[in-house]
Amino acid sequence: AQTVTQSQPEMSVQEAETVTLSCTYDTSESDYYLFWYKQPPSRQMILVIRQEAYKQQNATENRFSVNFQKAAKSFSLKISDSQLGDAAMYFCAYRRGRGDMRFGAGTRLTVKP
Amino acid sequence: ETGVTQTPRHLVMGMTNKKSLKCEQHLGHNAMYWYKQSAKKPLELMFVYSLEERVENNSVPSRFSPECPNSSHLFLHLHTLQPEDSALYLCASSQEISMGQGQPQHFGDGTRLSIL
Repeated sequence: AQTVTQSQPEMSVQEAETVTLSCTYDTSESDYYLFWYKQPPSRQMILVIRQEAYKQQNATENRFSVNFQKAAKSFSLKISDSQLGDAAMYFCAYRRGRGDMRFGAGTRLTVKP
Repeated sequence: ETGVTQTPRHLVMGMTNKKSLKCEQHLGHNAMYWYKQSAKKPLELMFVYSLEERVENNSVPSRFSPECPNSSHLFLHLHTLQPEDSALYLCASSQEISMGQGQPQHFGDGTRLSIL
């Protein structure tokens, strides 16, 4: 069974600094997709970034980038120039096929002004 | 305005009540999902309707019954729930091209359900 592990229940970062959130996953598949979602207090889950396992290049979306290490089954999220609006729960997710979406337990990110 | 709308936003019900959660997506997607989010636990995928096919999670109790009358609407019918069913129920949708394409899911704001 595929599992997703986020080992940091809570993280904090100073505004304008950089923070990295960790995620590891377990799978025997070679073709799959990885996601980072953000859930602010408003509750809506918002897609932050997406990575296809067959692509070696790390995905980047403005201030958000990932470090995808396929052999190590690691998928960390780096947030650069942190802003107060980045404060939220961040969830790492894995998807292999239709109806197969697994989420980690989440990391609560606090941004200090 | 969010592309995925869930109602009600909050619901308090007794264990013997029957209620339904509603989800509507305005994104033209062809797949819809129900998730359960409990405190300090990962999101649990409950049900999927994708490309006209229902994919069940066999671990979901029968007191939860999904209904998908068309590609834009999804319901979760609730009957004889237990206190441990109190949670945030999230609906999501995505555009599936074919199996395993990994399209991102778009979520609603959820229904906060409390069982007395």
